[in-house]
Amino acid sequence: EPEVTQTPSHQVTQMGQEVILRCVPISNHLYFYWYRQILGQKVEFLVSFYNNEISEKSEIFDDQFSVERPDGSNFTLKIRSTKLEDSAMYFCASSAGTSGVTDTQYFGPGTRLTVL
Amino acid sequence: DQQVKQNSPSLSVQEGRISILNCDYTNSMFDYFLWYKKYPAEGPTFLISISSIKDKNEDGRFTVFLNKSAKHLSLHIVPSQPGDSAVYFCAASRNQFYFGTGTSLTVIP
Repeated sequence: EPEVTQTPSHQVTQMGQEVILRCVPISNHLYFYWYRQILGQKVEFLVSFYNNEISEKSEIFDDQFSVERPDGSNFTLKIRSTKLEDSAMYFCASSAGTSGVTDTQYFGPGTRLTVL
Repeated sequence: DQQVKQNSPSLSVQEGRISILNCDYTNSMFDYFLWYKKYPAEGPTFLISISSIKDKNEDGRFTVFLNKSAKHLSLHIVPSQPGDSAVYFCAASRNQFYFGTGTSLTVIP
């Protein structure tokens, strides 16, 4: 069964450094998403991406964040200058796009980001 | 700003009995609701959804009920199985998805 993959599984970085989290969505999916979950807290929506542009973003997704689909398979989340509070598990998801936002989203296993 | 709340952080149920997980929301504009299951070290897995035009949706052992007047959503699992032990998140959507904090379900054999 196709699945969403994410790399790395764990990223440790120093505060102020840039990080790029990578995701390979399910092929033929058209919508892509990033979520994060700070330890012990709820899963939070960050951004959705469709047709090579951001379709929705939350208040969390400020200028420090950016997303890109650099080729036909990868979907990346960049944090320009990491802060301690960016430490979280980051989940990528994709959906087929046939029903828009109501499509089933398939989540990757997550990348644990630790900012020191 | 918690638009979606799961007030029970944990729930224990005997195998074979019914598990009922509850979720409340504040935004009457939400038009789509979902339940996700999450095992440790894995991403959330979609379980079942319901549109705001319905009040019930059933898929095998899983039934989701929506009470729009009360802004309340519940997930019923019957009969509960040990493999159902996981964290269950409810989520609500208009254009963005808002998740609850999760309820950890333990099904005791």
